[in-house]
Amino acid sequence: TQLLEQSPQFLSIQEGENLTVYCNSSSVFSSLQWYRQEPGEGPVLLVTVVTGGEVKKLKRLTFQFGDARKDSSLHITAAQPGDTGLYLCAGASNRDDKIIFGKGTRLHILP
Amino acid sequence: DAGVIQSPRHEVTEMGQEVTLRCKPISGHDYLFWYRQTMMRGLELLIYFNNNVPIDDSGMPEDRFSAKMPNASFSTLKIQPSEPRDSAVYFCASSLNRRGEAFFGQGTRLTVV
Repeated sequence: TQLLEQSPQFLSIQEGENLTVYCNSSSVFSSLQWYRQEPGEGPVLLVTVVTGGEVKKLKRLTFQFGDARKDSSLHITAAQPGDTGLYLCAGASNRDDKIIFGKGTRLHILP
Repeated sequence: DAGVIQSPRHEVTEMGQEVTLRCKPISGHDYLFWYRQTMMRGLELLIYFNNNVPIDDSGMPEDRFSAKMPNASFSTLKIQPSEPRDSAVYFCASSLNRRGEAFFGQGTRLTVV
């Protein structure tokens, strides 16, 4: 069974600080997506990474796909209260085309 | 487009009752997914359809769960009979292709007492 482990589970930091959250697996994925989910809403796609080593930037958010396509990281610079939410990674399996979600990192930015 | 529309937003029912959740996907999307989200297990794929045909229902927990997609603009997820452990947020999502961006509805929060 392919699993995506996200760490940390919970993170609470002050506004203005930097942070990195991780998404790890022992399996290879053909692509990986990051979603953000706010309370009472469904997840919303932030980015898709496809190539090993790929780096994508979305304003203050930097996403990286590991060289071996088994892991990914999300770095946020100068976090703001609006970044608060549940960050989910989702991998597309190489074997059976299934999309597997991690359990997420619940991020809280304190003003 | 209004996005993926789910109803109801909240459902409270007694154990043993039948529950029907409804979903209208984004027009033109060929794929429709039903997910269940809990704190313990995260977001789990229950079943997905391609062009109204169920493709993979291996995530459906038990025979008490069933899903249909009678046409391209409507799907239902039914639980009969419902049990307290079915309490969760159920999401419907649609996408243009299997691995593309999934657009999620706002979810149905189900509480079985």
